[in-house]
Amino acid sequence: DIQMTQSPPVLSASVGDRVTLSCKASQNINKNLDWYQQKHGEAPKLLIYYTNNLQTGIPSRFSGSGSGTDYTLTISSLQPEDVATYYCYQYNSGWTFGGGTKLELK
Amino acid sequence: QVQLKESGPGLVQPSQTLSLTCTVSGFSLTSNSVHWVRQPPGKGLEWVGAIWSGGSTDYNSALKSRLSISRDTSKSQVFLKMNSLQTEDTAIYFCTHWELGFDYWGQGVMVTVSS
Repeated sequence: DIQMTQSPPVLSASVGDRVTLSCKASQNINKNLDWYQQKHGEAPKLLIYYTNNLQTGIPSRFSGSGSGTDYTLTISSLQPEDVATYYCYQYNSGWTFGGGTKLELK
Repeated sequence: QVQLKESGPGLVQPSQTLSLTCTVSGFSLTSNSVHWVRQPPGKGLEWVGAIWSGGSTDYNSALKSRLSISRDTSKSQVFLKMNSLQTEDTAIYFCTHWELGFDYWGQGVMVTVSS
């Protein structure tokens, strides 16, 4: 099974900061990766599909990139409403979520 | 619009069988797949399994021996059955629609395994 490792587990940042979250796969996943945002008490929300495609209605400050085993979610200017846990998810071989990165305000 | 809603018992005794229903609207089960994802309290997301538009299924390898997913297309319902439940199966169970990613989710149903 493919393992997905997200780092850091917890990230503290200030409003307006550029924030980068990382996701590493245990083998090549051919860009078959999505990013989800989950706020406390809510269902997850799709942000990015197939590595770098912004889901409809998601603010353009969110972007994704990567290839092979290494993928990144970037928030260009952190807003208070972005406080949440972020999960990557691969569907190249089987289906696996990463452990998540909890994003907090400093 | 696409909607999904989970239903089922909130409390299940250890070693018993969990039965959940996901009722969908706004799309056809013969056109899109539905997946189950669970989340233990305070922990991350775990993919549980899926039923594809053609009716085939896939399961998390760690749960496969205990898990069954089926559907009734006439009622727009997807069913999850998991037997031999243990306390580690306590979680919120979500059903979700897959197209370009999991783009629609149900609200989730909390299942507690306890005597």
